[in-house]
Amino acid sequence: QEQLVQSGAEVKRPGASVMVSCKASGYTFTAFYIHWVRQAPGQGLEWMGRINPKSGGTTYAHQFQGRVTMTRDTSISTAYMELSSMRSDDTAEYYCAREREVGATYYGMDVWGQGTTVTVSS
Amino acid sequence: SYELTQSPSVSVSPGQTASITCSGDKLGERYVCWYQQKPGQSPVLVIYKSRRRPSGMPERYSGSTSGNTATLTISGTQAMDEADYYCQAWDSSTVVFGGGTKLTVL
Repeated sequence: QEQLVQSGAEVKRPGASVMVSCKASGYTFTAFYIHWVRQAPGQGLEWMGRINPKSGGTTYAHQFQGRVTMTRDTSISTAYMELSSMRSDDTAEYYCAREREVGATYYGMDVWGQGTTVTVSS
Repeated sequence: SYELTQSPSVSVSPGQTASITCSGDKLGERYVCWYQQKPGQSPVLVIYKSRRRPSGMPERYSGSTSGNTATLTISGTQAMDEADYYCQAWDSSTVVFGGGTKLTVL
């Protein structure tokens, strides 16, 4: 079945970087955008950005520009999100999700990864 | 920056109709998605393009928009519908989420 499987939990020190992976299976990886969304404990969803797996083109949310980098490896159908200069308030569950876009019409994030817990603590 | 506003909580009795609203400037002119999230789980898409249901989503979920408001309606609400619900729209090339509404079925 169509699914996204994320890498495991991470614990990082303040100032460090983290890279989370998101492996797609059961569908054509390059046919859907990959979004990254995070959720701090007890809080709502926060969009971080997205990548077009076909072209590698990215769009980042303003509040993460300069700190986030999204990449992909089409040979293994995997997307990556790297967040640098981490702070304690970056502690959150990080999700990847796919979305189909056809001619600037968006069809919603219909498949989500299981989430990756990232803890930033000294 | 564009903002979407949701009421923090909504309560409904089993079998009744729940309405969850999301407001934003000229939201009715944009496509809106709705997501359901239960504790400890990843979000699930329940409505896309403002009123369309993904395959397998029960018919009791419906969406609509008008003016500055989008509404998610759950007819014949069941205990299993208790969850947090988030609206989402696009602003230029970026995604915006509402703050979420906790639906309590009691």
